[in-house]
Amino acid sequence: ETGVTQSPTHLIKTRGQQVTLRCSSQSGHNTVSWYQQALGQGPQFIFQYYREEENGRGNFPPRFSGLQFPNYSSELNVNALELDDSALYLCASSPQGWQDYGYTFGSGTRLTVV
Amino acid sequence: DQQVKQNSPSLSVQEGRISILNCDYTNSMFDYFLWYKKYPAEGPTFLISISSIKDKNEDGRFTVFLNKSAKHLSLHIVPSQPGDSAVYFCAASLRSNDYKLSFGAGTTVTVRA
Repeated sequence: ETGVTQSPTHLIKTRGQQVTLRCSSQSGHNTVSWYQQALGQGPQFIFQYYREEENGRGNFPPRFSGLQFPNYSSELNVNALELDDSALYLCASSPQGWQDYGYTFGSGTRLTVV
Repeated sequence: DQQVKQNSPSLSVQEGRISILNCDYTNSMFDYFLWYKKYPAEGPTFLISISSIKDKNEDGRFTVFLNKSAKHLSLHIVPSQPGDSAVYFCAASLRSNDYKLSFGAGTTVTVRA
């Protein structure tokens, strides 16, 4: 098992720019979710993908979009960056259905918007 | 809409003593509850979970208690060790929502030697 890997680990962007964050799921996991963790808060669900299809979305605007690829790797894209988008972005993967451990999380990408 | 709440942002406990972390939720339909532990610069790691049909689950030093009528769960760590110093997140999920997780804001635990 290689776990969940995310890249880059840190990123600084200017307001109004676009950003793409990447995630490589744990081997055998076909479900991937993205979470945003603002400072001092718990992770907030952005969206989930299962077999390359979006499978649910949290309370985030359409400028947050994603993709899942046939190898189950994933991207999170954010357009028209705002200062409030500064946060830790976590990718999490799991096999289909419930697992007692929930999801396996990556270490995250720290995005700073200036 | 914060469906999962951890009202204590921090907890300090002496090594060897019990740590008790609390979590409240508002959605009575939640099926599963989990606790995650997070060290700085790392992602959350799974600690222990409990199904809504149980009221207790134990794994080594960690025990989770669920009180459905009060919509309350707690995590007990006995005995507390210095390596337990971390941020602890309570999370809940709904099978009907494909098990997406709703997290609390976290409790920072500091274990004093």
